[in-house]
Amino acid sequence: DAKTTQPPSMDCAEGRAANLPCNHSTISGNEYVYWYRQIHSQGPQYIIHGLKNNETNEMASLIITEDRKSSTLILPHATLRDTAVYYCIVRSSSNTGKLIFGQGTTLQVKP
Amino acid sequence: DTAVSQTPKYLVTQMGNDKSIKCEQNLGHDTMYWYKQDSKKFLKIMFSYNNKELIINETVPNRFSPKSPDKAHLNLHINSLELGDSAVYFCASSQSGTGAPEAFFGQGTRLTVV
Repeated sequence: DAKTTQPPSMDCAEGRAANLPCNHSTISGNEYVYWYRQIHSQGPQYIIHGLKNNETNEMASLIITEDRKSSTLILPHATLRDTAVYYCIVRSSSNTGKLIFGQGTTLQVKP
Repeated sequence: DTAVSQTPKYLVTQMGNDKSIKCEQNLGHDTMYWYKQDSKKFLKIMFSYNNKELIINETVPNRFSPKSPDKAHLNLHINSLELGDSAVYFCASSQSGTGAPEAFFGQGTRLTVV
């Protein structure tokens, strides 16, 4: 599975959009981009995933560049409860299902 | 309804003891996992079972022995506990098949070895 690079930390004002970048320049054609988050002391929580097209659900939007070498997770209206570590993970559909977590981005939403 | 539940939530024990952590999922998934999160917050996979069959066994000491009595349960038994085993252990489940289904995680078991 391809490696990902994320900034270690970011701040966002409450009510504003939080844009979390991820680089995955070695991604291959059958690999999906996943985003999970871990709120303090809780288990990781699935947010969204995509292959090529942009995706949106009730939690967030995922924008994947045309060359698929990077992506951005967008939380449209960040709240204090969105403060967490956000993990960008690349995984192929053919692997055993395991997730390889990096260091992630610690997002601090401030009032 | 808790999708993936682990027991106990906290476990404090002495070095050398044997302990078990239980995990159950009610999502109907066929694949279950154990992950370990150490004090530096790195999350790393330990084991995975698909339909009760072991499919992933990372470089984990053989003091750790997972057991899957059925698709809905994956337990983790740890023998001769060491200080370095102190960590948060997360159970997860997913459904295998085409595409890339997401995994759902339990709330974790914080193991402290003293």
